[in-house]
Amino acid sequence: DQQVKQNSPSLSVQEGRISILNCDYTNSMFDYFLWYKKYPAEGPTFLISISSIKDKNEDGRFTVFLNKSAKHLSLHIVPSQPGDSAVYFCAASYSGTYKYIFGTGTRLKVLA
Amino acid sequence: DVKVTQSSRYLVKRTGEKVFLECVQDMDHENMFWYRQDPGLGLRLIYFSYDVKMKEKGDIPEGYSVSREKKERFSLILESASTNQTSMYLCASSLGDQETQYFGPGTRLLVL
Repeated sequence: DQQVKQNSPSLSVQEGRISILNCDYTNSMFDYFLWYKKYPAEGPTFLISISSIKDKNEDGRFTVFLNKSAKHLSLHIVPSQPGDSAVYFCAASYSGTYKYIFGTGTRLKVLA
Repeated sequence: DVKVTQSSRYLVKRTGEKVFLECVQDMDHENMFWYRQDPGLGLRLIYFSYDVKMKEKGDIPEGYSVSREKKERFSLILESASTNQTSMYLCASSLGDQETQYFGPGTRLLVL
């Protein structure tokens, strides 16, 4: 039972354009979400987070949107750069837990 | 700057061997986690620990055990390695409930 889903295994985008990575979840108790970026042979690095009391959070080129009614979040990268090419994971948790549930990841390729 | 280190980047072991993977964090974090990452399956939680000598099973604990004798160190033990345990193993730590998890570089384990 996959509670956090990233339905697109891969995505290719031209340099300078917008990258949109999507994540759906099924558990309405989730109230905190993270995005991680992972390069090959490295551990995931934290990118950006959002709490369920917000619907948007921005950090430089990265913006995360949360649609609670649709149980959907998305990560926007504008403008996309070749160095953004990596696997992106979304993760969700709920209050009172130490655990995050991770999605299966989306491989982003930014073409120069 | 949070630092999570793992004892080996690459490891090759034989079926039936006992395998120890070690993880050390230098940020005085309460929580530590062991995940495995497999293509198409994302990050799956094996075990986590919320205090010294305290541990809880994650989603896939079978075939694994853990040890946390000191706050900064969390070990994953494969009692009798099998080929289906060939994977990338990732250690993470976090300060507390719903805090961001910081990952080590990973250990790629090959069991022959």
